[in-house]
Amino acid sequence: GAVVSQHPSRVICKSGTSVKIECRSLDFQATTMFWYRQFPKQSLMLMATSNEGSKATYEQGVEKDKFLINHASLTLSTLTVTSAHPEDSSFYICSAITTSGGAGEQFFGPGTRLTVL
Amino acid sequence: AQKVTQAQTEISVVEKEDVTLDCVYETRDTTYYLFWYKQPPSGELVFLIRRNSFDEQNEISGRYSWNFQKSTSSFNFTITASQVVDSAVYFCALKDSNYQLIWGAGTKLIIKP
Repeated sequence: GAVVSQHPSRVICKSGTSVKIECRSLDFQATTMFWYRQFPKQSLMLMATSNEGSKATYEQGVEKDKFLINHASLTLSTLTVTSAHPEDSSFYICSAITTSGGAGEQFFGPGTRLTVL
Repeated sequence: AQKVTQAQTEISVVEKEDVTLDCVYETRDTTYYLFWYKQPPSGELVFLIRRNSFDEQNEISGRYSWNFQKSTSSFNFTITASQVVDSAVYFCALKDSNYQLIWGAGTKLIIKP
């Protein structure tokens, strides 16, 4: 149980294009989903927190117009990197939880490796 | 402020040696959770353990063991008789009253055959 999928697993795109990454909770309803990015040899950096049906909360320094997050259902959140540039190349990971607070364990997707040429 | 420190950037040992990965945390909350995750080269995070702040019992799972010491705010991870497949980056993380995770910088573990 508690499986989170991401699609695509890898994407290569040209500079200036937009890329959409999907995060799905396959066997549970996710009240909250998180989006992280991870640069090579670095730790995970939280980009934003999204709750179903409401606007995402972005961390300081993350451009909300650049990284559009939509959490339209309890099983799907999407991250769209708009007008991607080479510096957006990174490993993007989503996670989902079923309840806030308490043990609310985060279940992680396998990640999406984005390369912008 | 909440913080997780993994002071060891990289550790390299020969197969079958025991190795301990250190994790020191800071939080003002009395209720919190500590986690260890493994990230192999594929990138997918593998959950290893969760420990809540009220449970200081050490845990052993096969070759893995964890030592939680509230007095020193540490949650160290030991691999006994290491194997090449243990090579990965290991992250320690803290979850307190906020449901967000605070991550350590990670320790890259290299097990040489």
